[in-house]
Amino acid sequence: EIVLTQSPATLSLSPGERATVSCRASQSVSSYLAWYQQKPGQVPRLLIYDASNRATGIPARFSGSGSGTDFTLTISSLEPEDFAVYYCQQRSNWPLTFGGGTKVEIK
Amino acid sequence: EVQLVESGGHLVQPGGSLRLSCAASGFTFSSYWMHWVRQVPGKGLVWVSAITGDGSSTNYADSVKGRFTISRDNAKNTLYLQMNSLRAEDTAVYYCTRANSGYDYWGQGTLVTVSS
Repeated sequence: EIVLTQSPATLSLSPGERATVSCRASQSVSSYLAWYQQKPGQVPRLLIYDASNRATGIPARFSGSGSGTDFTLTISSLEPEDFAVYYCQQRSNWPLTFGGGTKVEIK
Repeated sequence: EVQLVESGGHLVQPGGSLRLSCAASGFTFSSYWMHWVRQVPGKGLVWVSAITGDGSSTNYADSVKGRFTISRDNAKNTLYLQMNSLRAEDTAVYYCTRANSGYDYWGQGTLVTVSS
């Protein structure tokens, strides 16, 4: 099973700041990595697929990069609605796996 | 508009069975892999199972293999998850998702509680 390790577990930032979330895979997942955002009481929302492609309707301030084992989700300038939990997920190998999540909270 | 609507979740005793359903609309259901993902409230996301568009191939997490069965009825645009030998650790919200290089659509989730 491929283990996805996200860091940090919690990121405390102010609106307008840049957020960087890391996801490291225990073995290569090529570019088969997605990022999701989940707000309290809401269903997860797809942000990025295949490492760097923004999903439909996702603002340009969200970007993804990486390949192989190291991936990054960047939010260039945090908006109030961006404070949430972010998950990475690989679809390279069965079983599919998610990272443990990174909470981006208001500082 | 794409919609995924789960149903069937409720309180069940350990060792019991439950069948979840997910009614899909707004897209060509048979063209997509469909997955089930679960989440214990307040915890992270866990992949459970997947099925091809024609239903010919399935995959399961080790934690549910041999106990859960995913299936679909493309004539009814419905995805199912038959859950047998339920355990307390199966307690979670179960989401039906459409796979499209990522889960681009999610249902609202249905809560399964396994408790005596």
